[in-house]
Amino acid sequence: DVVMTQTPVSLSVSLGNQASISCRSSQSLLHSDGNTYLSWYLQKPGQSPQLLIYLASNRFSGVSNRFSGSGSGTDFTLKISRVEPEDLGVYYCFQHTHLPLTFGSGTKLEIK
Amino acid sequence: QVTLKESGPGILQPSQTLSLTCTFSGFSLSTYGMGVGWIRQPSGKGLEWLANIWWDDDKYYNPSLKNRLTISKDTSNNQAFLKITNVDTADTATYYCAREIAALDYWGQGVMVTVSS
Repeated sequence: DVVMTQTPVSLSVSLGNQASISCRSSQSLLHSDGNTYLSWYLQKPGQSPQLLIYLASNRFSGVSNRFSGSGSGTDFTLKISRVEPEDLGVYYCFQHTHLPLTFGSGTKLEIK
Repeated sequence: QVTLKESGPGILQPSQTLSLTCTFSGFSLSTYGMGVGWIRQPSGKGLEWLANIWWDDDKYYNPSLKNRLTISKDTSNNQAFLKITNVDTADTATYYCAREIAALDYWGQGVMVTVSS
């Protein structure tokens, strides 16, 4: 199975500052069809996860441009600029290039 | 507008079969490239992918559940189903279904399932 290693486990950020989350996969996520099936999700307290970024760097419809995804191969990053109160929650990366599909273990973002 | 909603028994006993239904609207599982996935989350823990099913009836399972899973769909009624046989207390979790195209783009609210004797 592809292991998705997310760091840090938790992150405390002041309002208005930037947050950065890393996700590393144990195998390249480049699919034979040329796509990199790496996505990012935010699970706010008491809610279902919501998609932020798909195909490593594409922002989902309606997602604030403060969220950006980058990376390729095995190394990916989610950046949140100008952190706001509604950004708190747990962030997960997810790969669906290789079966079985796997999630990272999550990064909890707290607001200082 | 895409919506999904999970339903299930709430509580069941060890060794029983868990049957879950995902009822959705705003898309069709007969459309090329469309899929529905099932994911679960024990309370306070992370997300685990279980299975997905595609417009062409391709199905994929997480082998960690050792052949206990069966996924199916009813395209006419916009539903997807997941069965888990021989449940154990370790299957206690919130179960989500989500539409899948290039990612899990729309999720249901989740349904809590408790396995207890």
